[in-house]
Amino acid sequence: GAGVSQSPSNKVTEKGKDVELRCDPISGHTALYWYRQSLGQGLEFLIYFQGNSAPDKSGLPSDRFSAERTGGSVSTLTIQRTQQEDSAVYLCASSLDGTSGSYEQYFGPGTRLTVT
Amino acid sequence: TQLLEQSPQFLSIQEGENLTVYCNSSSVFSSLQWYRQEPGEGPVLLVTVVTGGEVKKLKRLTFQFGDARKDSSLHITAAQPGDTGLYLCAGGTNQGGKLIFGQGTELSVKP
Repeated sequence: GAGVSQSPSNKVTEKGKDVELRCDPISGHTALYWYRQSLGQGLEFLIYFQGNSAPDKSGLPSDRFSAERTGGSVSTLTIQRTQQEDSAVYLCASSLDGTSGSYEQYFGPGTRLTVT
Repeated sequence: TQLLEQSPQFLSIQEGENLTVYCNSSSVFSSLQWYRQEPGEGPVLLVTVVTGGEVKKLKRLTFQFGDARKDSSLHITAAQPGDTGLYLCAGGTNQGGKLIFGQGTELSVKP
């Protein structure tokens, strides 16, 4: 079956431009997560959606970052007025259930964002 | 703020050697997961431990969750070049499915 897919795989943008990153989770998974990873580092939590509940936005680094999940499936992470420090790999994950941290998260391959 | 300190950050060893990676915190976690990530790919789950003192074995890999559920370790016996990758620990919180990740251990096993 299909895993988590993300697009684009690479994105180069100029400082100040807006970017949209897309995530298609595994069908039937109720929880969807966005993380940011700098080169060779751990994952920084950004936001997660669980079913119809209000998303946990506690990891978003600034108000330039926002995300939405339409129809409980596809999610888009938007970064407005990009800055060079936004350069990183953005990873999306989904899990069958997001009510506890014991459920396996399935990750997409990530979008590598470079802000010039 | 819950934090997970992972050590060592880098590890370069010869094939056949044993190694241990540590994940420590001052906070209690509801569960502890270990993931492995290869370049250009997302992390893949290796194991989940949920009970204090729990030990799980996966072939040459042994995972342990501390009695107080504040720390965990990953031990690899007779490492092979195929074990090369970034190993990440992640703690389950009391905030639904949210995980707190450690900084990762970059393991290189040379033939």
